[in-house]
Amino acid sequence: NAGVTQTPKFQVLKTGQSMTLQCAQDMNHEYMSWYRQDPGMGLRLIHYSVGAGITDQGEVPNGYNVSRSTTEDFPLRLLSAAPSQTSVYFCASSYSGTAYQFGNGTRLTVT
Amino acid sequence: KQEVTQIPAALSVPEGENLVLNCSFTDSAIYNLQWFRQDPGKGLTSLLLIQSSQREQTSGRLNASLDKSSGRSTLYIAASQPGDSATYLCAVAPNEKLVFGKGTKLTVNP
Repeated sequence: NAGVTQTPKFQVLKTGQSMTLQCAQDMNHEYMSWYRQDPGMGLRLIHYSVGAGITDQGEVPNGYNVSRSTTEDFPLRLLSAAPSQTSVYFCASSYSGTAYQFGNGTRLTVT
Repeated sequence: KQEVTQIPAALSVPEGENLVLNCSFTDSAIYNLQWFRQDPGKGLTSLLLIQSSQREQTSGRLNASLDKSSGRSTLYIAASQPGDSATYLCAVAPNEKLVFGKGTKLTVNP
């Protein structure tokens, strides 16, 4: 198993640009989620999904969209990037009652 | 709203010392609690998962305990090594979402 795979590893955007952060898992996990990690703020939940076709907002959803068309993939879309979205983004997945596994993260800088 | 607190924020110990990291949470209605390790610039590595019905879990030199009624968990590291230096994160799962503490940065000095 490859586990949780995130691409790209690094990205620089200009304010107003859009992009999609990719997340894929090959463990048939039903739960997938996106977190952002900022100094002094810890990890905060952006969006999550409990299965294909089902998504919901987390603590900091503004400026981000998600969809879950398949069990394996959970992309995170930035609609119009802002400097406040400069962060490290982590995707995670799990099966009910089991440990969450995390990807290696995407470091995003918005100038 | 569930809140998770980790104390201390940073800890420096000499190699070989046994140590305890603390995690407290405000709402005891959780499914499980998970301890992670994060190395600088890296992702999170799962260390231990404790289900709400369990009291502790062990993996090698690591032992994690859970006391739901008091809203506390501890991570015990035996015979610490320089390779244990990292940030340790505690997260509780009130449902399918994780709520994280801000972590304890551990430095083990040779």
